[in-house]
Amino acid sequence: AQRVTQPEKLLSVFKGAPVELKCNYSYSGSPELFWYVQYSRQRLQLLLRHISRESIKGFTADLNKGETSFHLKKPFAQEEDSAMYYCALGEGDYGQNFVFGPGTRLSVLP
Amino acid sequence: NAGVTQTPKFQVLKTGQSMTLQCAQDMNHEYMSWYRQDPGMGLRLIHYSVGAGITDQGEVPNGYNVSRSTTEDFPLRLLSAAPSQTSVYFCASSETSYEQYFGPGTRLTVT
Repeated sequence: AQRVTQPEKLLSVFKGAPVELKCNYSYSGSPELFWYVQYSRQRLQLLLRHISRESIKGFTADLNKGETSFHLKKPFAQEEDSAMYYCALGEGDYGQNFVFGPGTRLSVLP
Repeated sequence: NAGVTQTPKFQVLKTGQSMTLQCAQDMNHEYMSWYRQDPGMGLRLIHYSVGAGITDQGEVPNGYNVSRSTTEDFPLRLLSAAPSQTSVYFCASSETSYEQYFGPGTRLTVT
């Protein structure tokens, strides 16, 4: 069974609309959760991690242990946000094993 | 810094052929890993290494071998290519293991 699920393969929103990319996880310990983003023709790169509680490019994500969720949100989507987004769970003694979700392709329409 | 580099960018193999995908990093990171990316499945961990001389299997290790003789290099070997290994392969490295730096990927097609 997948330990990181992202229920939407594709999410389309209009520019300026709020966006929420869903992520749910299954993990018995204290999870280390991340969002990675892959823009067209670029490398996969870290967007944000839950332990830093920072906002990157206007995106935030809150870890909800009760609902085992780590949804990614942005109040006003921009066209440049169009990309593939992956939720990931770090596990292992050093957090060295990453389990990625299947990804959600975000398309921001003009 | 070049970061994480991978060669080749593209490769076509026939079933049964062997090859090595190269990965190098110049950030002196201890941790390196290999993933494959398939549509609808995200990235799946093939093998990883927590330092020179230390490797271990990930989620989908069958058909692949790795070694880590230096901190910089972490090659991935396909022993006998199969069509099921058609995929995009990513190498990554990290210092703390919590922020992984990815290479540009190698697109492999096995016919």
